[in-house]
Amino acid sequence: EPEVTQTPSHQVTQMGQEVILRCVPISNHLYFYWYRQILGQKVEFLVSFYNNEISEKSEIFDDQFSVERPDGSNFTLKIRSTKLEDSAMYFCADKGLVRPLRDTGELFFGEGSRLTVL
Amino acid sequence: EDQVTQSPEALRLQEGESSSLNCSYTVSGLRGLFWYRQDPGKGPEFLFTLYSAGEEKEKERLKATLTKKESFLHITAPKPEDSATYLCAVQPLSGSARQLTFGSGTQLTVLP
Repeated sequence: EPEVTQTPSHQVTQMGQEVILRCVPISNHLYFYWYRQILGQKVEFLVSFYNNEISEKSEIFDDQFSVERPDGSNFTLKIRSTKLEDSAMYFCADKGLVRPLRDTGELFFGEGSRLTVL
Repeated sequence: EDQVTQSPEALRLQEGESSSLNCSYTVSGLRGLFWYRQDPGKGPEFLFTLYSAGEEKEKERLKATLTKKESFLHITAPKPEDSATYLCAVQPLSGSARQLTFGSGTQLTVLP
């Protein structure tokens, strides 16, 4: 099964610092997502990205967050001025389809990046 | 607002002791219901997609079923390696939203 690759696996940062989490989606896939999971809580949707722009975002995804696909392959999540409550696992996911008409709905998740804000 | 409730929160089984996990959902039109397995510190691993009431899917010792209000994940003769958290998620049919709404999961422990 193709893999979604995320780096770093774990990042520790000081409160107020900026972090960038990176994801290499499965090639030729079109829809990309970021989810997060605070320890012991549900997996929560943050943002979806299609055709190089945000297609949907949750109320969690405020001005502190941004996403981009700078080089056509990597997909990044930037968190500015990190807060203690940003500590969580951040998962990149992509949708297993190449053409929009063949939408099976399944998301494939990466292994996650654990962010610890001190 | 889409909601997903999973029960029980935790389940301990002896190896070979079959059981079922429940996922109750409310959604404004269901595009799909998904089951994932999550090991500690790992990302969710896709198991099944169910699209319509009455549908069933099987994979090894797991079978997922779907009604209009809930889904069950049946585990037959589980083994210790089946120990994990099982997540249920729904995808809405309407609007531009294609994100998944997850339940809290059922933490399954299978004892040897």
